[in-house]
Amino acid sequence: DVKVTQSSRYLVKRTGEKVFLECVQDMDHENMFWYRQDPGLGLRLIYFSYDVKMKEKGDIPEGYSVSREKKERFSLILESASTNQTSMYLCASNAGTNYGYTFGSGTRLTVV
Amino acid sequence: GENVEQHPSTLSVQEGDSAVIKCTYSDSASNYFPWYKQELGKRPQLIIDIRSNVGEKKDQRIAVTLNKTAKHFSLHITETQPEDSAVYFCAASGVRGNNRLAFGKGNQVVVIP
Repeated sequence: DVKVTQSSRYLVKRTGEKVFLECVQDMDHENMFWYRQDPGLGLRLIYFSYDVKMKEKGDIPEGYSVSREKKERFSLILESASTNQTSMYLCASNAGTNYGYTFGSGTRLTVV
Repeated sequence: GENVEQHPSTLSVQEGDSAVIKCTYSDSASNYFPWYKQELGKRPQLIIDIRSNVGEKKDQRIAVTLNKTAKHFSLHITETQPEDSAVYFCAASGVRGNNRLAFGKGNQVVVIP
């Protein structure tokens, strides 16, 4: 089974802090994604990546950046955390076009 | 881009009855349609998917049907059990979407024992 591992299950950060969320997959997948999940809003795409050092904006990229220096690792960066970024963050990967995603367990981030 | 809508947002069924969730999509070029189940506090997990060259796919108690003309697809759960209680997400993707999945907002299914 593909494993997508997110480094933290729960995080509490202060407003203005720089926050790093890490995601690692172990199946040599080309594509990796970062979503945030909020009640009533479903899954919203923040950024995605098709290859190392490649990134594309999703639907809600403002306030976030990403890094993909190695194929297996995709990091989400909150440059200056704000309270409206309190959310569940889900990382996912897949093998290519028209293949389902495998999600990580999620990181619940609280910004105070 | 692709827009996926899910109806109804909440569905309650008696244990043993069937549940049906319908999704509509906007991009006629979409050709891959997965369904995810997310139990409380857990990650979304792929439960079934269908590609546009197929009209129906079944896996034990779950099935998905696709109507490309009407641009909708549905998840059918038969003989529902309490462990079917979860949020179900539909999604669609295709060439124009650059492999991105566009998700519906989710449907809360509650199976009443």
